[in-house]
Formats: sequence, C-alpha cells, structure tokens
Amino acid sequence: GAGVSQSPSNKVTEKGKDVELRCDPISGHTALYWYRQRLGQGLEFLIYFQGNSAPDKSGLPSDRFSAERTGESVSTLTIQRTQQEDSAVYLCASSKQGGPTNEKLFFGSGTQLSVL
Amino acid sequence: AQSVTQPDIHITVSEGASLELRCNYSYGATPYLFWYVQSPGQGLQLLLKYFSGDTLVQGIKGFEAEFKRSQSSFNLRKPSVHWSDAAEYFCAVGAPNRDDKIIFGKGTRLHILP
Repeated sequence: GAGVSQSPSNKVTEKGKDVELRCDPISGHTALYWYRQRLGQGLEFLIYFQGNSAPDKSGLPSDRFSAERTGESVSTLTIQRTQQEDSAVYLCASSKQGGPTNEKLFFGSGTQLSVL
Repeated sequence: AQSVTQPDIHITVSEGASLELRCNYSYGATPYLFWYVQSPGQGLQLLLKYFSGDTLVQGIKGFEAEFKRSQSSFNLRKPSVHWSDAAEYFCAVGAPNRDDKIIFGKGTRLHILP
C-alpha cells in the first residue's frame, strides 16, 4: 500500500477486555516494529519483526501482550485483560529490510487505545 | 544494548532564533543515529540519519546534526527556526546488527515564541 495503515484508529474498551490492534505495513517491507507512546511520553519499543519472526520481544511489558505477523505482511498486537495503564497510542512502523542499514522507518498514524 | 537520552523535555525559542536539541547515546561501537519529528496531528517523519562518513549530516526542513564520538552525542541544529517547527523531536539509535531494534529517546517538545 501507499503507507503504513493501522486499525482501528481509536479503540475504547473496558478494563479486563481483550483488544486486537492491526498493522498493514508498506508492501515489500520486511521489518516491522511496534511502539507504545503514553501521553506526554516518548516512544517505548515493544517488539520487532524481521519477516514473520520476532528476533526481539524484549519490550513487551507483560505476558498479557503478544504479537504475530503473517509472512511479510499484516501484524496484530493483542492485549489481553486490558488495564488502565495500557491506555496509550500504539504505533506501528515498517522499513524495507531493517538490519545492517536500519533504514528509514515509515510510521502509521497509530491506534489510540483508551481503557476505562 | 543501545540506549539514548534526550536531556531536555521542553525547549522554547523565539521564531528566527537558532536551535540546538541535545541527544546522547550509549553503544559499544558506532551506532546508527536518527532524528524524527512528530508534528501535531501527524505521524513521525524522519529528519535525518547518520550511518558513517561525514559527521555533519544534512536533513530535511533545514535541519542538520553532528555526530561527535568523543561526546557520544548527536545534537540537532537549525540556524533559524520557523513557527511551523513547533513539534516533538525524537532522537533514535540503532545498532549495526540485523536483529537489533531502533530505540527512541523520550523526546523534546519544541515551543516557538512569535
């Protein structure tokens, strides 16, 4: 596609519910990143995919968070039993290959998650 | 593992004044360094990047940054800011390894006085 697409753009959920966030990277981009941005805070790394494998999951805050990626395409970030501290903007980014040149990241517009 | 620090949370400058945003990194070798800008209501956009070679890097919108190995710094500069430069600026560091992630600083919010 023309850019990185994230859906939904806004999600309001009740504490304890599960949510699924979707990211469609730019076609042909092998590297995909998930970041979290709490209000007034910087970008917090969550997970990085190279193809459909995740070499680095070190940023996932707890076992309630998981992510998967189908081939070199769509990725979903799932948060189970949401808590109020999960409220944030979840940003997805993709790049052509990641790795040695750590090329330019192209960011989506994010999903604003609000947990009531 | 790499890390990055942006010491200033907020910076306020007058329109037309010069700007310098600080960034310090920690990494065992020469990292890859980036500056991104997040304007209100817009996504993150790459301003410039440093991989190797000339330590003074030119970017878009009149920005430049200088890599100083001795100070582990990659400060962003602009000679004369415009009101449209008001935004949040993020320094980021990556490592020259295929599986290494890109880590962002906490950001510096730039305010412009008319």
